[in-house]
Amino acid sequence: SAVISQKPSRDICQRGTSLTIQCQVDSQVTMMFWYRQQPGQSLTLIATANQGSEATYESGFVIDKFPISRPNLTFSTLTVSNMSPEDSSIYLCSVEVSKNTEAFFGQGTRLTVV
Amino acid sequence: KQEVTQIPAALSVPEGENLVLNCSFTDSAIYNLQWFRQDPGKGLTSLLLIQSSQREQTSGRLNASLDKSSGRSTLYIAASQPGDSATYLCAVRRNTGGFKTIFGAGTRLFVKA
Repeated sequence: SAVISQKPSRDICQRGTSLTIQCQVDSQVTMMFWYRQQPGQSLTLIATANQGSEATYESGFVIDKFPISRPNLTFSTLTVSNMSPEDSSIYLCSVEVSKNTEAFFGQGTRLTVV
Repeated sequence: KQEVTQIPAALSVPEGENLVLNCSFTDSAIYNLQWFRQDPGKGLTSLLLIQSSQREQTSGRLNASLDKSSGRSTLYIAASQPGDSATYLCAVRRNTGGFKTIFGAGTRLFVKA
């Protein structure tokens, strides 16, 4: 298994600003993902964080809005840029120790944009 | 396109009841299926992972089954407790198209003491 620490756990931000969310894993993992969960909705994959290269974004998500870093096998960041109230969601980091194995999630970051 | 549906959307039961949560998916070409629990405003906790070649997995009071050919999975919870109150999510991993994971909308469970 993997233990994931995600920070911050929650934040209230002004529109037009940016927030960087951190995901730290207690062991090296092959795969890291970022998800968004809008109020009352299920999870939607934003992107796969690739170590040492650009993230792979899903349809509807772009790097300028959600830049992602992954400098090593235990750490990743997601930035939500130029925020608007529509970005208010829970953002979740997920990891897999090996590809296509059991997925583990962080506790999420509850973001409110005012 | 893979779609995952969970029925019922919400469920309220008295403590001690055995219950079944349902998950159906439209494309049987899956790699695995995973059940999660989510408490309000929190992240997801993995409950059970079933590989496509498996029929069921058990952990404590939980049992998950998989019928790939019919596109169905069930999560059985025995002797429910108030602490089981949460949203239960089913997630299907495709074995094509980048192995993307598709989540259902979840079943909100409330167990009354």
